[in-house]
Amino acid sequence: TQLLEQSPQFLSIQEGENLTVYCNSSSVFSSLQWYRQEPGEGPVLLVTVVTGGEVKKLKRLTFQFGDARKDSSLHITAAQPGDTGLYLCAGNFGNEKLTFGTGTRLTIIP
Amino acid sequence: ETGVTQSPTHLIKTRGQQVTLRCSSQSGHNTVSWYQQALGQGPQFIFQYYREEENGRGNFPPRFSGLQFPNYSSELNVNALELDDSALYLCASSYGTANYGYTFGSGTRLTVV
Repeated sequence: TQLLEQSPQFLSIQEGENLTVYCNSSSVFSSLQWYRQEPGEGPVLLVTVVTGGEVKKLKRLTFQFGDARKDSSLHITAAQPGDTGLYLCAGNFGNEKLTFGTGTRLTIIP
Repeated sequence: ETGVTQSPTHLIKTRGQQVTLRCSSQSGHNTVSWYQQALGQGPQFIFQYYREEENGRGNFPPRFSGLQFPNYSSELNVNALELDDSALYLCASSYGTANYGYTFGSGTRLTVV
């Protein structure tokens, strides 16, 4: 059974600060995705990374895939209240289904 | 293009009853996956359907079953409901491989009392 560990589990910071959340596995991902979920809604895809060492940027969000394809990070610059939500990483281990982490619940304080 | 729609949005059932949840996949998508998300947890994979055939199953008992129809819409059926089945049930559609990301519906909130 492949497990994804996300850290921290909870994060509360002031508006304007920077933050990084992490996603780790003991197994190699075929691909990894990051989603954001708001209360009462389903997860919304932010990015997919496939190649080891890959870096993708989405406005103030920077996603990095580890060289060994076993870990990933999400960095947010100058956090805003609209960034509040549950951030989920999800890995495809080559068996055509996504395994989700437990998530990082992010709160940005105005 | 329309997204993924799920019905109903909320449901309350009594322990021992049966429930059917429905999902219409995004236009052009041929794969539907179902997830269970307990409060404060990440989604847990239940099963996936590709072209009307089950294409993978998570660690859920046989009382969780599903169907996919020729138009790629899907149903999730749960028999003999237990209190622990209370959760948000999410449907996600994709075109083929999971490598390119899923489009999720807003979910069905099931409460078993």
